[in-house]
Amino acid sequence: GAVVSQHPSRVICKSGTSVKIECRSLDFQATTMFWYRQFPKQSLMLMATSNEGSKATYEQGVEKDKFLINHASLTLSTLTVTSAHPEDSSFYICSAHRTGIWGTQYFGPGTRLLVL
Amino acid sequence: DAKTTQPNSMESNEEEPVHLPCNHSTISGTDYIHWYRQLPSQGPEYVIHGLTSNVNNRMASLAIAEDRKSSTLILHRATLRDAAVYYCIPPPGTQGGSEKLVFGKGTKLTVNP
Repeated sequence: GAVVSQHPSRVICKSGTSVKIECRSLDFQATTMFWYRQFPKQSLMLMATSNEGSKATYEQGVEKDKFLINHASLTLSTLTVTSAHPEDSSFYICSAHRTGIWGTQYFGPGTRLLVL
Repeated sequence: DAKTTQPNSMESNEEEPVHLPCNHSTISGTDYIHWYRQLPSQGPEYVIHGLTSNVNNRMASLAIAEDRKSSTLILHRATLRDAAVYYCIPPPGTQGGSEKLVFGKGTKLTVNP
């Protein structure tokens, strides 16, 4: 089956620093990727839709200047959490839509971010 | 937009079948129903999807009601590794050509040894 990877799997950083998370589709091309955030004991919340070659589309309430998304190729999207604060600590998950299989997305294993 | 309703939690014993229900009374006639599950500390994984007739794959079976207002995900023999949160996902929305999935709270399945 299709594989999506994320790197790093876990990161601890100091408050005020920026953290970049990579999402790669390993065996298929993805024109669209999605970024989710999940707090403990809660469901996944969609943050933004990442479109290859164009600007990301952010969900209401998500600060685009704080969560920078770049989708420079058909297999890579990155999420940069800028000036991270403790409230940004969360589980960040990406997914990739595989063209031709409507509605089916393949999810990465997630990145756990802890901001001290 | 179509919405789904699932029980918050269910319990099962190992090796027994599990039936996870989902109500989706507002879906249209051409909407697929997708199921995903999320194991602890992992990203979600696709389980199955269907339109009208029952569907089977190596992970599960999906029974869709004739009126399509509900469906049931069936795990034929639950194992401890099936303990997860199961999400019945309404049809993806569209925004700029993309397909967003909206996750509700899902059903947390506990499998007892």
